[in-house]
Amino acid sequence: DVKVTQSSRYLVKRTGEKVFLECVQDMDHENMFWYRQDPGLGLRLIYFSYDVKMKEKGDIPEGYSVSREKKERFSLILESASTNQTSMYLCASSVLSDNSPLHFGNGTRLTVT
Amino acid sequence: GQSLEQPSEVTAVEGAIVQINCTYQTSGFYGLSWYQQHDGGAPTFLSYNALDGLEETGRFSSFLSRSDSYGYLLLQELQMKDSASYFCAPLISSGSARQLTFGSGTQLTVLP
Repeated sequence: DVKVTQSSRYLVKRTGEKVFLECVQDMDHENMFWYRQDPGLGLRLIYFSYDVKMKEKGDIPEGYSVSREKKERFSLILESASTNQTSMYLCASSVLSDNSPLHFGNGTRLTVT
Repeated sequence: GQSLEQPSEVTAVEGAIVQINCTYQTSGFYGLSWYQQHDGGAPTFLSYNALDGLEETGRFSSFLSRSDSYGYLLLQELQMKDSASYFCAPLISSGSARQLTFGSGTQLTVLP
């Protein structure tokens, strides 16, 4: 069974802090994704990666960066957290195939105060 | 531009059939996925349609019409546990890769 693990379930940070959200998958998947989920807006793609050291911007990359130094790990970085980045962050992974399902982690609820 | 529409809420009774529609307007379209998400849980994959027509998986079926930019998820013999949010997600080209773009979701409430 595929397991996608996000390092924290809940996180509270202050405005201006640098925040790292970590995600690890155990199935040797090529693709990894970061989404944020907000009520009424669904899931919006922030960044994704289809290989180590590769990254592609999603629909809302502003204010975020990512790092993929190893195949199993994909990190989301908030360089200077702001209150409008308070959200649920979901990491997902998949194999490199069109009909391959995304496997999601349980999410990190980030609150920026 | 790109757009994706699905109803925000649907209510039905146990044992009934419900259809959740999804219309999309996007370039570089490859196929349409559906995901289910229970409150407090992670989204889970239900189906993927690359070709026109109906795909059936147990009580759930998914339909795609590429010419109409339209799809739907059909849930039969509704059970209480089907109460969840359902997301349609077109697979589209993005730069040199492909990405899933999710709709805002349909909250399905199944009543006893």
